[in-house]
Amino acid sequence: GNSVTQMEGPVTLSEEAFLTINCTYTATGYPSLFWYVQYPGEGLQLLLKATKADDKGSNKGFEATYRKETTSFHLEKGSVQVSDSAVYFCALLSQETSGSRLTFGEGTQLTVNP
Amino acid sequence: DTAVSQTPKYLVTQMGNDKSIKCEQNLGHDTMYWYKQDSKKFLKIMFSYNNKELIINETVPNRFSPKSPDKAHLNLHINSLELGDSAVYFCASSQVLASYEQYFGPGTRLTVT
Repeated sequence: GNSVTQMEGPVTLSEEAFLTINCTYTATGYPSLFWYVQYPGEGLQLLLKATKADDKGSNKGFEATYRKETTSFHLEKGSVQVSDSAVYFCALLSQETSGSRLTFGEGTQLTVNP
Repeated sequence: DTAVSQTPKYLVTQMGNDKSIKCEQNLGHDTMYWYKQDSKKFLKIMFSYNNKELIINETVPNRFSPKSPDKAHLNLHINSLELGDSAVYFCASSQVLASYEQYFGPGTRLTVT
């Protein structure tokens, strides 16, 4: 079956530090890949997505590149801010006969200190 | 303006009770979902409805019964609540023939005592 593995958290950084959150996946076919962000007390928001190999998703200074050869979709940001503190989820979307479904990673808690 | 809304936001109840959580989307999407997020933040799909028809039903106790009166609503009814049902429940919606991007509601935090 499909699965998503994220680097274990929590991750604590100082403001303006470089961020990488690793994500690897196992899937049949060619899934779409997503990063969702969950701010404290809120629902999930789509951060960025990539629908095919070598696509780069980007939003709010975050980037991730769909690497089919390494089955990875690592999230990066060059300079984090305190407001980036949240839980980040990597997910893959698979199309199955039973419908489309999102499979999530475990989530990575990011805390950015001033 | 809210795209996907859920009520209530918080629900505290005792074991054995029956409760419902409501979800509505105003995006015109044809597919709606329920997810459960446990205390470790792990998210797992429970159900998916497309045009009011159940299309995904994960291994969920039959105490959980989703109901979709129309394409814009997907409610979740839970019978005989147990302590282990305590979690945050998220509703989401998507348009199957578009990018399949799912939009999530704010969540309902259910606490069973």
